[in-house]
Amino acid sequence: DTEVTQTPKHLVMGMTNKKSLKCEQHMGHRAMYWYKQKAKKPPELMFVYSYEKLSINESVPSRFSPECPNSSLLNLHLHALQPEDSALYLCASNPTTTNEKLFFGSGTQLSVL
Amino acid sequence: GENVEQHPSTLSVQEGDSAVIKCTYSDSASNYFPWYKQELGKGPQLIIDIRSNVGEKKDQRIAVTLNKTAKHFSLHITETQPEDSAVYFCAASTWGGNQFYFGTGTSLTVIP
Repeated sequence: DTEVTQTPKHLVMGMTNKKSLKCEQHMGHRAMYWYKQKAKKPPELMFVYSYEKLSINESVPSRFSPECPNSSLLNLHLHALQPEDSALYLCASNPTTTNEKLFFGSGTQLSVL
Repeated sequence: GENVEQHPSTLSVQEGDSAVIKCTYSDSASNYFPWYKQELGKGPQLIIDIRSNVGEKKDQRIAVTLNKTAKHFSLHITETQPEDSAVYFCAASTWGGNQFYFGTGTSLTVIP
């Protein structure tokens, strides 16, 4: 099973809302990632968790708050987003962060009104 | 840091023809090169990858070649089918590193 599951698939939120994106994998991977992808562009790295610890934060605004409750779960908490934050948010995982096969979920299409 | 360039940005081929997408990278320390296929509304799917100790790898109709000296690698799709239509991304990463550097993507259209 090489599946990374993301929920919800679609999300519409206002600029004052608080919402969370969820990601789950049961491949025993110890590295999990959040990427942001705009239409027709490559994924942009936001955060990396390695062994449940945040190892990379790519200067992401504080309105995005990641959380890794355990080795299988990854959340992205959203608060006071801006319309320009509308994008496809992708979760990914691999066995460790040392350049091994990276598997993506199907993403959450986020629209901020 | 690493810079990955990808060409062409769009590619149209007739069904049954071959398609080739090329990427170049800048960091000689990069040693892992995956290729992803992304269909509309879906996440990127890993389709093939190659490590720097190998010059070529093939999986059915898909092959990847790597030229370490010239710092470029290519994706080859033979006998293209309409279901191969998608956006393809190349990427590069370094052993011990924790980032994947993506190319800008190629939108492939296979015309029936």
